[in-house]
Formats: sequence, C-alpha cells, structure tokens
Amino acid sequence: DSGVTQTPKHLITATGQRVTLRCSPRSGDLSVYWYQQSLDQGLQFLIQYYNGEERAKGNILERFSAQQFPDLHSELNLSSLELGDSALYFCASSWSGSSTDTQYFGPGTRLTVL
Amino acid sequence: GQNIDQPTEMTATEGAIVQINCTYQTSGFNGLFWYQQHAGEAPTFLSYNVLDGLEEKGRFSSFLSRSKGYSYLLLKELQMKDSASYLCAVRVSGNTPLVFGKGTRLSVIA
Repeated sequence: DSGVTQTPKHLITATGQRVTLRCSPRSGDLSVYWYQQSLDQGLQFLIQYYNGEERAKGNILERFSAQQFPDLHSELNLSSLELGDSALYFCASSWSGSSTDTQYFGPGTRLTVL
Repeated sequence: GQNIDQPTEMTATEGAIVQINCTYQTSGFNGLFWYQQHAGEAPTFLSYNVLDGLEEKGRFSSFLSRSKGYSYLLLKELQMKDSASYLCAVRVSGNTPLVFGKGTRLSVIA
C-alpha cells in the first residue's frame, strides 16, 4: 500500500458523458501527478500539480481538466467521453516534485466507456 | 522528442537471472527509475539511478551508463511472483515529470 488513494476503483459510463476521478496523496506529499495507461501503451503523463498550482502539462486533451484543492487532494475531470478514453488512470504523489523525489502510485481507476 | 526503448516481452525460468535493458534518448537527464507493475495494479518503485554504476537492493540491481544512454535491471533468483511488467522511466530535468517506456512484460516459468 503506497498511501495514495484513488476513487472510484472502477467506472463504467457511456460516450458523451462526464466523470470525475479523485486522488488523495500520501500524507505530507505536496505534488500530484495524473497518468493514463491504455492497452499496449506506456504510462502517459497528463498533468502535475504542486501545492495547488499547475506545475507541468503533458498530452492532456482539452476535454480533460484537473485541479488540486487546499487539502491537497486532486480531481481529474473527463468530459465528452469517447471510446478511446477507456484506460487505467493513475494518480501518483511525491513530496516536492523535484528531481530526486520518488513518485508513489495509487491503485488506479479503471474507466470503461461504452 | 523523448525516446525510451525496452524489449516488449521476456521469458525466464524460476531461479534464474534475467537482465532487462532500457535505452534512452532524451533532451536531458536527471535520473532513471525502474518500476514494477503487476497486471491491473499500480506501478511500485524498485530503484533510482542518477550516477553511473550499479545499485544493488536485495535480489534486484540496476545499472546506469549515462554516456551510453543505457540502463538495465537485473533480477536474480527469479520467483513466480516476479512475473510483471517492468517500466523504465527517465526524469529529463529537475522540474519535469517522468517519461516512461512502454514496459517489458516478464514471464517467469517453472
């Protein structure tokens, strides 16, 4: 158990819908990262927050957005869902987001878009 | 762009030693991580190298050569539970997120 929690564990929805994935970082960690992992694809970095501020952005679609709240939990919002958005979504946290920090991953949310 | 290459699949025998290679071509380098990921589960941290050489941690060791853009993960005394994907990830600079390879799926057979 990494100490990072994600809810829900599984999510099944239809195309065109909107969902929200939630992540709570390890106690004391200030930085949160979101990744997408599809079949046959590696972990694709989506976005990083540090202490409530966006720090880095990867290949995140405009239909996707995220935020980190004052209590440091983070939410990833996915809208106008498409079949291709079906994937495992992981959240990771680290203390400061600096070069020597290890990222610890949550158990993931498996999203299925029908 | 950033490029990280790993073999897609490997098979090894229980009790044996296996070496999983990772080569990278990135615009910068500020550390290399290895993660283990069992199917459908979260990646878990195995090792971190930032200087050239070998880091040993129990049955697992990781090697880095920055001049060659090359790393390997060495797993000794393989066990069935080591069947998993092994992800190589590079931090390109101090403030950038990790870039992950697609992972190597290791199957340990009896």
